[in-house]
Amino acid sequence: DADVTQTPRNRITKTGKRIMLECSQTKGHDRMYWYRQDPGLGLRLIYYSFDVKDINKGEISDGYSVSRQAQAKFSLSLESAIPNQTALYFCATSDVWGGTQYFGPGTRLLVL
Amino acid sequence: SQQGEEDPQALSIQEGENATMNCSYKTSINNLQWYRQNSGRGLVHLILIRSNEREKHSGRLRVTLDTSKKSSSLLITASRAADTASYFCATTKDSSYKLIFGSGTRLLVRP
Repeated sequence: DADVTQTPRNRITKTGKRIMLECSQTKGHDRMYWYRQDPGLGLRLIYYSFDVKDINKGEISDGYSVSRQAQAKFSLSLESAIPNQTALYFCATSDVWGGTQYFGPGTRLLVL
Repeated sequence: SQQGEEDPQALSIQEGENATMNCSYKTSINNLQWYRQNSGRGLVHLILIRSNEREKHSGRLRVTLDTSKKSSSLLITASRAADTASYFCATTKDSSYKLIFGSGTRLLVRP
């Protein structure tokens, strides 16, 4: 969905490096989410946010941090990347809790 | 742990045939949603069915929900090669914020 963009689309990094994945949305939604997808599996929630002052951990937040710079921007950081963080990362938005979510195109991350 | 589990894990059909995918879940839900994911891309919302609804249609898609059996099915009629994708069910529980995804069904529609 072009309304939700993610940068970069692909990233290769080394163990121990700090990296940031960025998400921007033009849908005007308050709620934003970061998910991780591993091969053959569904999505798992890392963090979610209602607004710039509201940040909440999901089910797999260890090793990750986030920043909600504005209503439209939500960034995910890996403080010290490790190989098992190699995955596909998705940002999503919604206008209500539990409602339809709109996903970005994903960032494919490889940690060597 | 995942709330929804899709069945089958993989499905291969001929173009023009119908495809049926099932989703089972464990606890009470607010709603159940189906999403499609083309290879390596973001998920696209297909349909949302609330816990008090039994059936919904959208174009060639038909979704049913049986809360007594804690299961849902997604039927794609007259499939096309472009329907080749992974399909995920996702549930929300009561007033929870969470959308919990199953592991998906990989559908291959052969031309």
